[in-house]
Amino acid sequence: QVQLQESGPGLVKPSQTLSLTCTVSGGSISSGSYYWSWIRQPAGKGLEWIGRIYTSGSTNYNPSLKSRVTISVDTSKNQFSLKLSSVTAADTAVYYCAREGGSGYRIDYWGQGTLVTVSS
Amino acid sequence: QSALTQPASVSGSPGQSITISCTGTSSDVGGYNYVSWYQQHPGKAPKLMIYDVSNRPSGVSNRFSGSKSGNTASLTISGLQAEDEADYYCSSYTSSSTLKVFGTGTKVTVL
Repeated sequence: QVQLQESGPGLVKPSQTLSLTCTVSGGSISSGSYYWSWIRQPAGKGLEWIGRIYTSGSTNYNPSLKSRVTISVDTSKNQFSLKLSSVTAADTAVYYCAREGGSGYRIDYWGQGTLVTVSS
Repeated sequence: QSALTQPASVSGSPGQSITISCTGTSSDVGGYNYVSWYQQHPGKAPKLMIYDVSNRPSGVSNRFSGSKSGNTASLTISGLQAEDEADYYCSSYTSSSTLKVFGTGTKVTVL
């Protein structure tokens, strides 16, 4: 059973960089044809896809965030990470890491989510 | 890439059936059989309920079913139960660079 767990600071100051890590257990991040993704959800609002990475290192980003987002993978640690720069209060949200697979990029495993608040 | 359109809320009594719609375009819902549905209870992560329009992952109740007609996909919950009260999101593969688009979300209330 694959499990994902987000970790990182719960409070980030405006204009700084938000950094989160997702640790994958129960399977190798390198095995299978899966993409590893980040999704966020502001309080009371819907889901917003941020981006994904394949273990080869290839990435896709949401165009609305692309200039500020970097997703990377560390296969030796079975982890992947998110960096979002120049954050504002609008970036306050629950951030989920997830596994995408299948020809339709369905999300079959989600982390529990971590709340990141942007405030001084 | 605009979000897929879902009704804000749908309600029903226990035992009834309800249907949630998810409307997109020919670039997403209408163009591919890659619509997924997710259930999200308050404070919890979403859970995959339906994938590839009408397939249920192992362990998901057969009270949940999916279908698609043109640019609109639908999720039907039969024999509505109190535990079905949650938010539901559709998602589709899209020809845009993101490859994925979510719906606006629907709150299901069991009366």
